[in-house]
Amino acid sequence: GENVEQHPSTLSVQEGDSAVIKCTYSDSASNYFPWYKQELGKGPQLIIDIRSNVGEKKDQRIAVTLNKTAKHFSLHITETQPEDSAVYFCAASPANAGGTSYGKLTFGQGTILTVHP
Amino acid sequence: EAQVTQNPRYLITVTGKKLTVTCSQNMNHEYMSWYRQDPGLGLRQIYYSMNVEATDKGDVPEGYKVSRKEKRNFPLILESPSPNQTSLYFCASSLSRPATTTQYFGPGTRLTVL
Repeated sequence: GENVEQHPSTLSVQEGDSAVIKCTYSDSASNYFPWYKQELGKGPQLIIDIRSNVGEKKDQRIAVTLNKTAKHFSLHITETQPEDSAVYFCAASPANAGGTSYGKLTFGQGTILTVHP
Repeated sequence: EAQVTQNPRYLITVTGKKLTVTCSQNMNHEYMSWYRQDPGLGLRQIYYSMNVEATDKGDVPEGYKVSRKEKRNFPLILESPSPNQTSLYFCASSLSRPATTTQYFGPGTRLTVL
């Protein structure tokens, strides 16, 4: 089955700095890679995702890059703000219909991001 | 308001006492899933359902049961809970499987098994 490794487990930055979180995956059949943000006491919320036919995707201060050859993808947050402080999770899922893992979604271990004012 | 609801939000129980955690969504979503969250392990998928009467195992299904008799409900059943099932549980739903549509998570259920 799929295995997703996420680093670092904790990340502390000053407001305005950039933050980068990295994930690697093991199953070459995976081709959908979402990122979730979890605020204290809440469920995870999708913030950005990327599919394997795209190398990079950007949404305002957030960007995700994907290297399918190396099986890794990264989340980049620029100009961080205190409200970016949360736990971030990467995940991987096979996008091809009909496979045995069709409905699965495998998460990384999570990164606690703290942005200091 | 479009949402995923879970009940109860907090539960303390004892080993071996059967319990059910309910999950309901009002978005007419076909796909529903259960996850558990443990420190250092992230979220791990327990079971998922592609539609009514269609359920499948995730990565950690042992000790859990699910059913999908109605589209809106996807209860998680622990027939004989054990202390290693102490965890934070999340239900999620999406229009279709996660790779094609946004998945929405419930607020979580914190379960303690003594």
